[in-house]
Amino acid sequence: AQSVAQPEDQVNVAEGNPLTVKCTYSVSGNPYLFWYVQYPNRGLQFLLKYITGDNLVKGSYGFEAEFNKSQTSFHLKKPSALVSDSALYFCAVRDEGGSYIPTFGRGTSLIVHP
Amino acid sequence: KAGVTQTPRYLIKTRGQQVTLSCSPISGHRSVSWYQQTPGQGLQFLFEYFSETQRNKGNFPGRFSGRQFSNSRSEMNVSTLELGDSALYLCASSLLGQLTDTQYFGPGTRLTVL
Repeated sequence: AQSVAQPEDQVNVAEGNPLTVKCTYSVSGNPYLFWYVQYPNRGLQFLLKYITGDNLVKGSYGFEAEFNKSQTSFHLKKPSALVSDSALYFCAVRDEGGSYIPTFGRGTSLIVHP
Repeated sequence: KAGVTQTPRYLIKTRGQQVTLSCSPISGHRSVSWYQQTPGQGLQFLFEYFSETQRNKGNFPGRFSGRQFSNSRSEMNVSTLELGDSALYLCASSLLGQLTDTQYFGPGTRLTVL
């Protein structure tokens, strides 16, 4: 079975500081990992994904994520946070040998303070 | 390319009524998935259609049903509405419905049941 955990319900960061939103996963085979962002009353927007290859994945809006197989983590990062980055962030996983349907984390609310 | 579109964006119904939501995927995408999002339960998978066939189904009662047309457009229907059905219903499409595919989400339909 596949599962994903976002251990922080909320992350607070000052504008201009680096941000990290954490995600850990559990799968039987190789993981396929995704990050999405959701603004109020909107759908989820795709940020980036890891399928294979380089452990550092670069995505939209200056976000990047680092795949760490030994720690089963896929943390989302940005070097310098913007107030406009304030939103709900979701991590999702599929198992290489599993179902097409991804398992989503419960989401982390990112608040960037001016 | 136009993104995933969902209609209507907002809907208010009363208990016992039924409702039909519509989703138009990105042009060329063959897989359409539906999710229910609530503050308490997060994102829950309803069902997935691929080439007009229901390929995956979540753990929802039979009151929730869907279908996909030959042009990949999809509808979901909820009969005998209950207060607990109030939620944001999200549709997502992907190109081939493969494990490595990215799902692209629509803006959602906000359903309120009174």
